[in-house]
Amino acid sequence: AQTVTQSQPEMSVQEAETVTLSCTYDTSESDYYLFWYKQPPSRQMILVIRQEAYKQQNATENRFSVNFQKAAKSFSLKISDSQLGDAAMYFCAYRFEETSGSRLTFGEGTQLTVNP
Amino acid sequence: GAVVSQHPSRVICKSGTSVKIECRSLDFQATTMFWYRQFPKQSLMLMATSNEGSKATYEQGVEKDKFLINHASLTLSTLTVTSAHPEDSSFYICSASPVLGQGGYTFGSGTRLTVV
Repeated sequence: AQTVTQSQPEMSVQEAETVTLSCTYDTSESDYYLFWYKQPPSRQMILVIRQEAYKQQNATENRFSVNFQKAAKSFSLKISDSQLGDAAMYFCAYRFEETSGSRLTFGEGTQLTVNP
Repeated sequence: GAVVSQHPSRVICKSGTSVKIECRSLDFQATTMFWYRQFPKQSLMLMATSNEGSKATYEQGVEKDKFLINHASLTLSTLTVTSAHPEDSSFYICSASPVLGQGGYTFGSGTRLTVV
């Protein structure tokens, strides 16, 4: 069974600084998809970034980028120039195949605090 | 982009009554929808997979008779909490995935259920 582990329950960063959130996963599959979701206090789940396992290039979305290490089964999220609005719970997630019936497996989450 | 609408956002009910939560995909068809439960500061726990036109698939430990799921159309799934008790108080979230390649799942805004 696939598992996703986030070893940092809480992280904090100063505004404008950079922070990296860690995520490891376990799977026997070679093709899969990885995601980072953000859940602010409103509790709305927001997709931050996604990575297809068959792509070697790390995904980037503006200030958000990932470090995808397939062999190590590691998928960390880097937030650059942190902003107050980045404060949220961040969940790493895994999805085996990109069909509508394929479930997401979530990590435990990392609560990110951004200090002014 | 893909939008999932979830209603109500908040509901308070008395013990022993039933509550229905709706999840609608507004601009796409969803043959599969997922229902999650989330406790404060915890991750999302998958309760069941809702399949259009067929029975839902429940996760181990989830009571089928308490959490009734109906997916009667390609755009609507409902979760009914029957004979609710205070321990059913929680945050419930639905999600669905559009067609292939659209980037992960889209989540409803969630429903905070309080049973008094």
